[in-house]
Amino acid sequence: SQKIEQNSEALNIQEGKTATLTCNYTNYSPAYLQWYRQDPGRGPVFLLLIRENEKEKRKERLKVTFDTTLKQSLFHITASQPADSATYLCALDGSGGYNKLIFGAGTRLAVHP
Amino acid sequence: ETGVTQSPTHLIKTRGQQVTLRCSSQSGHNTVSWYQQALGQGPQFIFQYYREEENGRGNFPPRFSGLQFPNYSSELNVNALELDDSALYLCASSLGPGTSGPNEQFFGPGTRLTVL
Repeated sequence: SQKIEQNSEALNIQEGKTATLTCNYTNYSPAYLQWYRQDPGRGPVFLLLIRENEKEKRKERLKVTFDTTLKQSLFHITASQPADSATYLCALDGSGGYNKLIFGAGTRLAVHP
Repeated sequence: ETGVTQSPTHLIKTRGQQVTLRCSSQSGHNTVSWYQQALGQGPQFIFQYYREEENGRGNFPPRFSGLQFPNYSSELNVNALELDDSALYLCASSLGPGTSGPNEQFFGPGTRLTVL
């Protein structure tokens, strides 16, 4: 069955460092992969989308890579800030762009001053 | 805040009851997807409505049903509630896919359902 795994339950880093979050998947060939941020008690907020034929995507301090051979995506936040503390969700879309997403369980990131 | 609203914000029901959750999509969006998020888990896709028709369903039983209205707002109905239905129910709206792939999806704040 399709499975998405995100690394560790919580990631603690120091302010100013780069946070790297991992998303691995099996038994799936998504055309698109998306990353979302979710704060406690709120709905997910879209951050970045990367297509299967793209290796890397950047947006301000965020960078996403997508390796369809390894079946892995890495999500980087450079120069992290305490305000980046949240849960980050990886989501796969094999529905031709209709956003019928399969989410991972998320990685909780805590950035300490 | 996105333009997606959900009501109610919280709801407490007992086993066997029925519940209706509502979602107003962002202006201009014709696609609404519903997700169930259990505590500590990622959202799970329930189903999607595209231009008032169901457009795909996840691994949820038929007691989960829905509809979409001409203004693209949507309802999620759950019959014969079970304890395991306790979760945060999220709706998300977007436009249908464009020529370059999916359009950005906006989530509402969710409805927290507790089944006792």
